[in-house]
Amino acid sequence: EAGVAQSPRYKIIEKRQSVAFWCNPISGHATLYWYQQILGQGPKLLIQFQNNGVVDDSQLPKDRFSAERLKGVDSTLKIQPAKLEDSAVYLCASSLSLSYEQYFGPGTRLTVT
Amino acid sequence: AQKVTQAQTEISVVEKEDVTLDCVYETRDTTYYLFWYKQPPSGELVFLIRRNSFDEQNEISGRYSWNFQKSTSSFNFTITASQVVDSAVYFCALSEAGAGNNRKLIWGLGTSLAVNP
Repeated sequence: EAGVAQSPRYKIIEKRQSVAFWCNPISGHATLYWYQQILGQGPKLLIQFQNNGVVDDSQLPKDRFSAERLKGVDSTLKIQPAKLEDSAVYLCASSLSLSYEQYFGPGTRLTVT
Repeated sequence: AQKVTQAQTEISVVEKEDVTLDCVYETRDTTYYLFWYKQPPSGELVFLIRRNSFDEQNEISGRYSWNFQKSTSSFNFTITASQVVDSAVYFCALSEAGAGNNRKLIWGLGTSLAVNP
């Protein structure tokens, strides 16, 4: 069974530019998560989808971050405009449903200069 | 409020030693789930175990074992005969079974384990 796919794996942008990340979850997984992980810290949940509806986006900086999950499958996370403090690894995860174990993709390492 | 505490920030052991990673949690719910994840230097988070609050039976998987004690709100993880490949950051996490936002995963800060040859 294919795992969670993410692209790109690495991205370097200048501050104030925009960037988008893509995630394809494990087939059949209803719940999809985007996390931000800063070096040396644990994952921080940005947004959680159940099918194509948002369950939790309380920690998503909505003035610059946006995410969508069209048709309840793939998802994109966008940052516009980026700030230096957005430099982090962005992790996508999926699970069968809420409270089930989450399976993570390899992450996208973003560097904002 | 939910909370997960991993008091050990860093642990260093020599190969073949046994090591226990502590996890203490707080929750007001009677139904919840506990998890352990491993994050090796490559960076990808790997699911290790999920345990529901009604199942206090200890779990063993190869060299890994987990001890769940509701009386002390702990879900500790032991690696027996540690190997260099076990070097990673290990995260403990909690999810309540309620509706909506309560189902998000609450993560501990992680314990960095270094197994030296």
